[in-house]
Amino acid sequence: SQQGEEDPQALSIQEGENATMNCSYKTSINNLQWYRQNSGRGLVHLILIRSNEREKHSGRLRVTLDTSKKSSSLLITASRAADTASYFCATPTGANSKLTFGKGITLSVRP
Amino acid sequence: GAGVSQSPSNKVTEKGKDVELRCDPISGHTALYWYRQRLGQGLEFLIYFQGNSAPDKSGLPSDRFSAERTGESVSTLTIQRTQQEDSAVYLCASSLAGMGTEAFFGQGTRLTVV
Repeated sequence: SQQGEEDPQALSIQEGENATMNCSYKTSINNLQWYRQNSGRGLVHLILIRSNEREKHSGRLRVTLDTSKKSSSLLITASRAADTASYFCATPTGANSKLTFGKGITLSVRP
Repeated sequence: GAGVSQSPSNKVTEKGKDVELRCDPISGHTALYWYRQRLGQGLEFLIYFQGNSAPDKSGLPSDRFSAERTGESVSTLTIQRTQQEDSAVYLCASSLAGMGTEAFFGQGTRLTVV
């Protein structure tokens, strides 16, 4: 079953605007990760936020984590056409902490 | 190698045939995952190998699917008697220690069953 659920399913914005994507999860976690996928092939790790962190930055990426609401958000500032991709959140799940992924968000950045 | 390597990149097979997909993880990574991604869908967990622990096979959709891993190196995913619904991209990932650490993905094998 899906642990993480992203929202919205699809997002279309103009270049230069900010993009905000959300992820909700069901069980307690020790970290939450965001990945990007271009053209339906391999995923690339973007950022990991631990359960004792509330906010983390990496370049134009800002991730927040609210463990009380079991939710996370990924903000991409000053978006570029090259940011067009699918974005997934992932959480360690189960006793063996295997990574499970949400269904993903399709982001389109219009030039 | 520098990254996770999967082969073949693309595979077209006839319905009913068996296929083997290969994954070479990053050297030293103890954890290895297989996922399936149908067109426009999310990642469906298939199987997880972590060190010497028994693999977590809870995601395998049927007994036609099986996977093996030799120590902490190469893994093969085998699909027997392929069906059209098996058509998907099969993604392999490895991570240094499992337990929810960062995963590194291969480029996947696109399987088409005709």
